[in-house]
Amino acid sequence: KNEVEQSPQNLTAQEGEFITINCSYSVGISALHWLQQHPGGGIVSLFMLSSGKKKHGRLIATINIQEKHSSLHITASHPRDSAVYICAAILSHSGGGADGLTFGKGTHLIIQP
Amino acid sequence: DVKVTQSSRYLVKRTGEKVFLECVQDMDHENMFWYRQDPGLGLRLIYFSYDVKMKEKGDIPEGYSVSREKKERFSLILESASTNQTSMYLCASSLLFDHLTSLISYEQYFGPGTRLTVT
Repeated sequence: KNEVEQSPQNLTAQEGEFITINCSYSVGISALHWLQQHPGGGIVSLFMLSSGKKKHGRLIATINIQEKHSSLHITASHPRDSAVYICAAILSHSGGGADGLTFGKGTHLIIQP
Repeated sequence: DVKVTQSSRYLVKRTGEKVFLECVQDMDHENMFWYRQDPGLGLRLIYFSYDVKMKEKGDIPEGYSVSREKKERFSLILESASTNQTSMYLCASSLLFDHLTSLISYEQYFGPGTRLTVT
């Protein structure tokens, strides 16, 4: 099942560039989760959003429920932003718990100095 | 801060061995999850548990079993490890409900991962 699609799969950019990672989904969702995974494997939660926009430092996440699309933006990118970024959709039919979370395959971002 | 810990960061086992991967969370979360992550396939759910002694199969449960005897601990067991189980294994936990909003909570907190190699 490819209910959550991310693009691009790989992205290499220069330090300072504005970065956009996209996430599209084909089913109704309750919310969308953006996660960051650094080399070594640890995953941290960046944002959980169900509408509009959220900002944390240089990271901005937006979601358009009608268009079934979310974006993660990084302003003034830095080499330490190099990581895999994963979006996960919480399907709206789920009653809670694990079966409602569907992951994209991730975007591998490299920021070169 | 929520802390999810896994017993090993790196593990090498031989084919046929029984393997235990342990996960502990310290935030009294009801839900706990085991995923494996493989290149090109992303995160795939193996098993999850929504309460002590309760478990449900995820998308790829074959070759795995789980145990949840205490709320804070969720173990993944490979009864007879095979080379196709070489992968990164990630544990996660979440609240069933956000007690501030009384809404179902989906935000998952992940452990550091265990990179398992089966030779």
